[in-house]
Amino acid sequence: GDSVTQMEGPVTLSEEAFLTINCTYTATGYPSLFWYVQYPGEGLQLLLKATKADDKGSNKGFEATYRKETTSFHLEKGSVQVSDSAVYFCALSDSAGSYQLTFGKGTKLSVIP
Amino acid sequence: DSGVTQTPKHLITATGQRVTLRCSPRSGDLSVYWYQQSLDQGLQFLIQYYNGEERAKGNILERFSAQQFPDLHSELNLSSLELGDSALYFCASSVGTNQPQHFGDGTRLSIL
Repeated sequence: GDSVTQMEGPVTLSEEAFLTINCTYTATGYPSLFWYVQYPGEGLQLLLKATKADDKGSNKGFEATYRKETTSFHLEKGSVQVSDSAVYFCALSDSAGSYQLTFGKGTKLSVIP
Repeated sequence: DSGVTQTPKHLITATGQRVTLRCSPRSGDLSVYWYQQSLDQGLQFLIQYYNGEERAKGNILERFSAQQFPDLHSELNLSSLELGDSALYFCASSVGTNQPQHFGDGTRLSIL
C-alpha cells in the first residue's frame, strides 16, 4: 500500500537558519503530495501541495518540489522564524479512489531565538 | 479558521461506553473524512463520506461507525470503548474527492 516516510525529529534550529525536512513516498499511480502543519493545540493546516511531477508548491516562504524520479517531496525554507515552530506532516493522496490522505509520522520543529 | 467545526473539543469517558463525535464541514464541501491521531499509530484514515454516501474505509474498527446526514454534517460513533481508543479524532472536508482537505481542530477523546 501507499506509505510516506519523513525524517524523524525533533529538529531544533536557530532563527534565520535554513530548514530541510526530508520526505519520500511509495505509491501506485500518480499521487498528489502535500505538506500540512500542526501548531500546538490546533488542527492540521494545509501548507502547500503539488499534483504532478516537477510541480513546485510554495507558501509562506516554504517550498517543496515533486520529484518522481526520487519519489521525494522535501520541505525547505530559507530562513525560519520562531513562529514556524510546529509539527510538519508530509502526506499523499491516492489518485484512483477516495483521495484519502496517507501521512508520515510528523517532524517536530522548534526554532529558538 | 478552516471552517470545519468539530464538537466537542474534549471528551472524557470510561471503558465500555459509547460516544458520538460531530463534524460540520465547510460550507459547500460535499466530502467528509475522519482521521485518528495517536502517539503510536500517528495519523490514520478511518472513513470517508461523499454527499451522504460512504466512499471509502480505512483502518476503522468494527466498533466504530459513521454517517453523513442530508445537511452534510457527519457523526463518528465509537462504542465499547477501550483504553487504546484514546486519541485525537480529526474531521476534514473538501469540495470534491480530489481537492485539498481542510481539517477541524479535532476532538480529544480520553478513556479512563
